[in-house]
Amino acid sequence: EDQVTQSPEALRLQEGESSSLNCSYTVSGLRGLFWYRQDPGKGPEFLFTLYSAGEEKEKERLKATLTKKESFLHITAPKPEDSATYLCAVQANSGYALNFGKGTSLLVTP
Amino acid sequence: DVKVTQSSRYLVKRTGEKVFLECVQDMDHENMFWYRQDPGLGLRLIYFSYDVKMKEKGDIPEGYSVSREKKERFSLILESASTNQTSMYLCASTTGGSTEAFFGQGTRLTVV
Repeated sequence: EDQVTQSPEALRLQEGESSSLNCSYTVSGLRGLFWYRQDPGKGPEFLFTLYSAGEEKEKERLKATLTKKESFLHITAPKPEDSATYLCAVQANSGYALNFGKGTSLLVTP
Repeated sequence: DVKVTQSSRYLVKRTGEKVFLECVQDMDHENMFWYRQDPGLGLRLIYFSYDVKMKEKGDIPEGYSVSREKKERFSLILESASTNQTSMYLCASTTGGSTEAFFGQGTRLTVV
C-alpha cells in the first residue's frame, strides 16, 4: 500500500530563517511526486512535479528535491507570505489518483 | 489557465438529506476526483472517474456516490447526509499520465 509521511507536522520560522520540509514515501513504482501549497479555506495550489531520483525544481524561494525514498522542500529566506500548509502527494504507475500526506503547516513570522 | 469550479463554497444541510456537490472543469481533462479533507487526516480519496460514465471507488466511498454524465462535470452525492460527513470537499481534475491535479476552491459542508 502506498504511504506518504510528512514531517514536521508544524514548523515556525523567523523571516529569513531557511529550513526544509520532508516527505517520505513508499509506492509500488513512482510515476510522479507532487508538492502543493494550501492556504486556509482554499484548494491546494500546484507547485512542483518530480519524476525521478536526483531531480530538482525551483520556484522563487522554494526548491524541491527527490531521492528514491523521500523528497525535500527547501525554503530559502522565507517571508511571511510563505505561511501555508505544504502538501506532498505521490502517484503510482498503477493508478490515476494522488495519495497525499497530511501536510506541514508552516508559519513564518516577521 | 485551468479552472475547476465547485458549485458552492459553503453548505449547511440536515441529517438525512440528499446532498449534491457539483464540480465543473474547463480544460477537457479525462480524470476527475473527489477528496475530503479533515484536520489530522489529510486529503482522502472518495471516488474518481477516468472517463464519462466510468467511476472507481477510492479509499472512503461509503455513504457517497458519484455521477459523470458529461466530460466536464463530476458530481458527488451524499445519499443520506450524516454528521460525520461534515468536512471540506475538494474536486480535482487531470489529463492522462503523470500530470498535476488542479483543484477547485473547496466546499465546506456542515451537516447538522
